[in-house]
Amino acid sequence: EDQVTQSPEALRLQEGESSSLNCSYTVSGLRGLFWYRQDPGKGPEFLFTLYSAGEEKEKERLKATLTKKESFLHITAPKPEDSATYLCAVQTLTGGGNKLTFGTGTQLKVEL
Amino acid sequence: EPEVTQTPSHQVTQMGQEVILRCVPISNHLYFYWYRQILGQKVEFLVSFYNNEISEKSEIFDDQFSVERPDGSNFTLKIRSTKLEDSAMYFCASSYGTGGSSGGYTFGSGTRLTVV
Repeated sequence: EDQVTQSPEALRLQEGESSSLNCSYTVSGLRGLFWYRQDPGKGPEFLFTLYSAGEEKEKERLKATLTKKESFLHITAPKPEDSATYLCAVQTLTGGGNKLTFGTGTQLKVEL
Repeated sequence: EPEVTQTPSHQVTQMGQEVILRCVPISNHLYFYWYRQILGQKVEFLVSFYNNEISEKSEIFDDQFSVERPDGSNFTLKIRSTKLEDSAMYFCASSYGTGGSSGGYTFGSGTRLTVV
């Protein structure tokens, strides 16, 4: 069974204090690893897709990296508006419907 | 920017009643999905739909659930006889392709279903 584990569950940072969120996964065959941002009461908002080990993608203060067992979401000099829950999800080579299997998320709070 | 639209945003229903959750996916997308999120828990896959048929469904998606694309723009999720445990946020999503290369899966803002 595909498993996605995110850590930490919650993270509190001061504005400007860089950190990393972890997503470890166990799947039969990885097709893609997705990062989403979710604000309270809203749907997940797409950030990145990573496909192969060694791949990196950046968007503003966020950078996602991928190894064969885990992915990291690095947040550089975060601002209060980066506060949200960050979700990791995997899509595997099995199954015909392109489903995403999500982790439980990391709730990030950035304070002034 | 194109978005996935879900209605209603909040629905309260009595146990045993039928509910229909509605979604308007992005117009040029070909793949459609329903996910749900019970309060405080992870987002869970329910069903995917392509070319007017279900392409994959989870164990959660039992005979009480059905999906339909009644016309060229709407995508619906029907729960025939709601149970208390069906209370959750239901998200519709759509994608152009099967992976993330086309910008990932776009999710709607959700319908909060409360079964009393």
